[in-house]
Amino acid sequence: SQQGEEDPQALSIQEGENATMNCSYKTSINNLQWYRQNSGRGLVHLILIRSNEREKHSGRLRVTLDTSKKSSSLLITASRAADTASYFCATEGYGGATNKLIFGTGTLLAVQP
Amino acid sequence: DTAVSQTPKYLVTQMGNDKSIKCEQNLGHDTMYWYKQDSKKFLKIMFSYNNKELIINETVPNRFSPKSPDKAHLNLHINSLELGDSAVYFCASSVTNGRVTQYFGPGTRLTVL
Repeated sequence: SQQGEEDPQALSIQEGENATMNCSYKTSINNLQWYRQNSGRGLVHLILIRSNEREKHSGRLRVTLDTSKKSSSLLITASRAADTASYFCATEGYGGATNKLIFGTGTLLAVQP
Repeated sequence: DTAVSQTPKYLVTQMGNDKSIKCEQNLGHDTMYWYKQDSKKFLKIMFSYNNKELIINETVPNRFSPKSPDKAHLNLHINSLELGDSAVYFCASSVTNGRVTQYFGPGTRLTVL
């Protein structure tokens, strides 16, 4: 299967703590994206990191990318109860159909108030 | 002011029936997608259309037929529904020039009895 793997599958933390989620993928990529899905809702784009970038920040989000290990991590600092959601990484590969995203298996994050 | 909308939100039907799900985007995007999310939250692309032309067609049974009357609409028709078709179906849209993010609709939860 082309699907990426994420770990942990589920993560429970206290408000104010940091949350780290990891994503591994299988093929060469053009970019990697992270999405959030609140329960019963559609996915919302969080951040995109290009294959030639190693780290990117957006507010309380920090994403790293290691193309040699085919892995990425998403760090959410100072978590809030509103961060409770599922988080998915998605990769866009080279060649083939443009804009085709392969999604990871997701991490369910629960932030306890 | 909804960006990507889908109807219906919930769809409950009997095996063997034919049903349609509609999607509309008002973002001016020229590419639209259909994804299927199963009970384990695995999200997989089914189809992609660019300016009404089919560009991605994953290994989907031919009971599924997308139709794009114009670039703002992408409907999904499903014939002879089976139990395994039960899932949440998401529509998404984007521009078409690589490294782009996709905007997702709220999803349609299809239950086949």
